[in-house]
Amino acid sequence: QSALTQPPSASGSPGQSVTISCTGSSNDIGGYNYVSWYQQHPGKAPKLLTYEVHKRPSGVPDRFSGSKYGNTASLTVSGLQAEDEADYYCSSYSGSDFVVFGGGTKLTVL
Amino acid sequence: DVHLVEAGGGLVQPGGSLRLSCAVSGFDIFNAGMSWVRQAPGKGLEWVGRIKSKGERGARDYAAPVKGRFTVSREDSKNMLYLQMDSLKTEDTAMYYCTTIGNSYGLFWGQGTLVTVSS
Repeated sequence: QSALTQPPSASGSPGQSVTISCTGSSNDIGGYNYVSWYQQHPGKAPKLLTYEVHKRPSGVPDRFSGSKYGNTASLTVSGLQAEDEADYYCSSYSGSDFVVFGGGTKLTVL
Repeated sequence: DVHLVEAGGGLVQPGGSLRLSCAVSGFDIFNAGMSWVRQAPGKGLEWVGRIKSKGERGARDYAAPVKGRFTVSREDSKNMLYLQMDSLKTEDTAMYYCTTIGNSYGLFWGQGTLVTVSS
């Protein structure tokens, strides 16, 4: 069982917005502003989308945005595109456990 | 361009050992913390272990399932990261990724090397 809880699936039509949640505790998400989100296409390595809650690495479109409220973090994908269909994972710094991941959410573009 | 290339995966029997390596190019790992993350077939990501930079005394941390069996090491002169895996169990079967997770997030990832533990 993953330390962080994500819905197993999410979906949306092209052009729409979808938000994926990630729920933890005061020991991880709620205690630190070190939440990250990754995108993983089948057979590929994870790709960093956001870090430190809302920051984006160079080259990541601003359609991807991260936020946090209390013990729950969220990733919003705006203007859905076919290539956004992938698995999405949240992660958080967790003190002595260092880094914990969510179980992943499969995003389907209808 | 930054590249991380893992090697050393394969089939090993339960109780056996394997040493993974990660060759890094495009940036100097000397000041970077580095981690191994694994992904069992059809499952999610799991952080395995981390080694801090020499400046942070190369401190190492491990996830509970591998503590005492796995060892992360680094060879900065060769820009290499290693994962020594001993007393392997069937549940260690996974794709193992090398990544630049030093404190909280991994900007760069390798393509992974597959480890299968089976008799």
